[in-house]
Amino acid sequence: GENVEQHPSTLSVQEGDSAVIKCTYSDSASNYFPWYKQELGKRPQLIIDIRSNVGEKKDQRIAVTLNKTAKHFSLHITETQPEDSAVYFCAAKEPHNNNDMRFGAGTRLTVKP
Amino acid sequence: DTGVSQNPRHKITKRGQNVTFRCDPISEHNRLYWYRQTLGQGPEFLTYFQNEAQLEKSRLLSDRFSAERPKGSFSTLEIQRTEQGDSAMYLCASSRTDTVGTQYFGPGTRLLVL
Repeated sequence: GENVEQHPSTLSVQEGDSAVIKCTYSDSASNYFPWYKQELGKRPQLIIDIRSNVGEKKDQRIAVTLNKTAKHFSLHITETQPEDSAVYFCAAKEPHNNNDMRFGAGTRLTVKP
Repeated sequence: DTGVSQNPRHKITKRGQNVTFRCDPISEHNRLYWYRQTLGQGPEFLTYFQNEAQLEKSRLLSDRFSAERPKGSFSTLEIQRTEQGDSAMYLCASSRTDTVGTQYFGPGTRLLVL
């Protein structure tokens, strides 16, 4: 089955700086890679996703890149703001196993004002 | 709010008691998932329904856990003879039936077993 690893586990940046979170996956058949943001005590919220036929996707200050050959994908947040502080989870989904969305262990991002 | 809802939001119980949680998915979503999340970890898959059929169960789901989705709409997750190790956040998610199946999460039920 799929195995997703996420780094770093914690990340602290100054307001306005960029933050990058990286994930690797093991199953080359995985074709869908969402990123979720979870604020303390709240539900995971989908913030961006990318499919395996796309190399990069942007949405305002957030971007995700995917390297299928290396089996890794990254979340990039530019011009970070204190409200970006949260735990971010990456996930990977195998197409032949509809239930199997494997999550990374999460990255706690702190943006210092 | 037309998102996924879960009840109760918090549950405190004594070891050995049974508990039941409810999830109401987004109305047009026919897939429903249960996850367990412990502190500092990502969600771990427990089980999954397509309509009323429970298609997959994780090895994490012991015999004390049972889930139902009788009419293909809301789902219940029951834990019998709770143990302290069952303390966690139980998340429900739902998705459409398509090739992507983006999952949207509910607010979760936080269980504390004393």
